[in-house]
Amino acid sequence: QKEVEQNSGPLSVPEGAIASLNCTYSDRGSQSFFWYRQYSGKSPELIMFIYSNGDKEDGRFTAQLNKASQYVSLLIRDSQPSDSATYLCAVNLWEYGNKLVFGAGTILRVKS
Amino acid sequence: DGGITQSPKYLFRKEGQNVTLSCEQNLNHDAMYWYRQDPGQGLRLIYYSQIVNDFQKGDIAEGYSVSREKKESFPLTVTSAQKNPTAFYLCASSIEAMNTEAFFGQGTRLTVV
Repeated sequence: QKEVEQNSGPLSVPEGAIASLNCTYSDRGSQSFFWYRQYSGKSPELIMFIYSNGDKEDGRFTAQLNKASQYVSLLIRDSQPSDSATYLCAVNLWEYGNKLVFGAGTILRVKS
Repeated sequence: DGGITQSPKYLFRKEGQNVTLSCEQNLNHDAMYWYRQDPGQGLRLIYYSQIVNDFQKGDIAEGYSVSREKKESFPLTVTSAQKNPTAFYLCASSIEAMNTEAFFGQGTRLTVV
C-alpha cells in the first residue's frame, strides 16, 4: 500500500459545479494534512491544511478529515476554469520521523 | 522579501558529471526538503532535514547527497551514480518538521545531455 494515495483523474467538472478530490493515507499516527495546487511547470502552492477531524472552510475551499477512515478530501465550490490544475495531497507521516509525503496528484479540469 | 530561492532554474548536465542544486531560505525555518518530480507524476522525497547538521534519507536517496551546515541552506548534489537524473527538482521548507505547512521554491529543471 502506498503511503498517500490519490485518484490520478482527470476529474472533469463544469464551471460553477463542486469538485471533490480525495486522498487516503496509511499511517494512523499522522497528525497533519495539506492540499497543494500545482499548475503545469510551476511549483506547488499551499491551499489548505487541516489537523483535526471534521471540516475546515476557507473561501470556496473546504477540507474534510476523517482520521478513523484515514481519509482526507478537498471540495472546491463554484469551480472556475482557473482552478484547472493538479491537486496534491500531502501527509506528515509521524511513523517515519515526520517526513512530508505527497500523493501522485489529481488532475482537475473545469470546463467553461 | 522572505522566501525560498532555488538556483539555477535550468541546468544541463553531461553524463558522468556531478551537479549541485542550490536551495536557500530566509524564513528561519528549521525543516527543509528535496523532492523530485517526473512528468505527470507526484513528488517523491529525496532527503529531508529537521535541523542543522542532521538529515534523513527519503524514498529515493540513491545517487543523491545533501548537506545542512547552515540553517538557511540545503544544497542537493546529483551524482553520477544517479542513472536517470532528468527531472524537476523542488526544495521546500517549513517552520518545523511536525504539523507545519511547507513552502516551495520555484524549482530547478535538470536535463542530462
